Amino acid sequence: GENVEQHPSTLSVQEGDSAVIKCTYSDSASNYFPWYKQELGKRPQLIIDIRSNVGEKKDQRIAVTLNKTAKHFSLHITETQPEDSAVYFCAARGLRGYNKLIFGAGTRLAVHP
Amino acid sequence: GAVVSQHPSRVICKSGTSVKIECRSLDFQATTMFWYRQFPKQSLMLMATSNEGSKATYEQGVEKDKFLINHASLTLSTLTVTSAHPEDSSFYICSARDRAGLGQETQYFGPGTRLLVL
Repeated sequence: GENVEQHPSTLSVQEGDSAVIKCTYSDSASNYFPWYKQELGKRPQLIIDIRSNVGEKKDQRIAVTLNKTAKHFSLHITETQPEDSAVYFCAARGLRGYNKLIFGAGTRLAVHP
Repeated sequence: GAVVSQHPSRVICKSGTSVKIECRSLDFQATTMFWYRQFPKQSLMLMATSNEGSKATYEQGVEKDKFLINHASLTLSTLTVTSAHPEDSSFYICSARDRAGLGQETQYFGPGTRLLVL
C-alpha cells in the first residue's frame, strides 16, 4: 500500500540555523505534497505545499523541493526561530481512495535560542 | 482561510457509553471530510473518509460498527464512537476539503477532540 517515510524523527538546531526534513513516498501516482506544522495540543496547520508539476516552491523562510524521479521531497526552513519549534508532518496524496493524504510519522523540531 | 470547527473539544465518558463528535466546515462546502486519530507523539492515522450523501470509506483495521460516520450535509460530518472503551481514548481530528474549483486539494483541519474513556 501507499507509504510515506519521514526523517529525521527529531531535529535540534540553534536559532538562525537551517533545518531540513526529508520524506519519501511509495506511490508514483502521488501528485500533491503538503507540509503541516502542529504545535502541542493544536490542529495541524498547512505551511506549504507543492504539486507534481513543480520542482521547488518557496514562501519566505520556508521552501519545499520535489524530486519525482527519486520520489522524495524535502522541507527547508532557513533562519530558524524558537517559534518554529513544533512537529512537522509531510504528506502525499495519491489518485486512489478519494485522494486521501498519507502522512509521514512526523519530525519534532526544537529551535534553541 | 477556510475554517473547520469540531465539537466538543474535550469529552470524558464512562466505558460502554457512546460519544458523538461533530465536524463542521464554517465558510466552505466540503463534499469530503476525513477522520483521523492521533496518539501522543505519533502521526495522524486516517480512520475513514466521509462523503456527503454516501457511506463512509473505512481504512483497513477500523471497525465501521464501532466508529459510525455520518456526512449529512456539505458542512457537517459526525463521528460516533459506540460502546467506548478505555483503549478508544485518543485525540480525534477531522479535516475537510474545499470542493470549490477544479483540483482543489487543500485539507483544513479541525482543532481536534480529546476523548478520555474511564
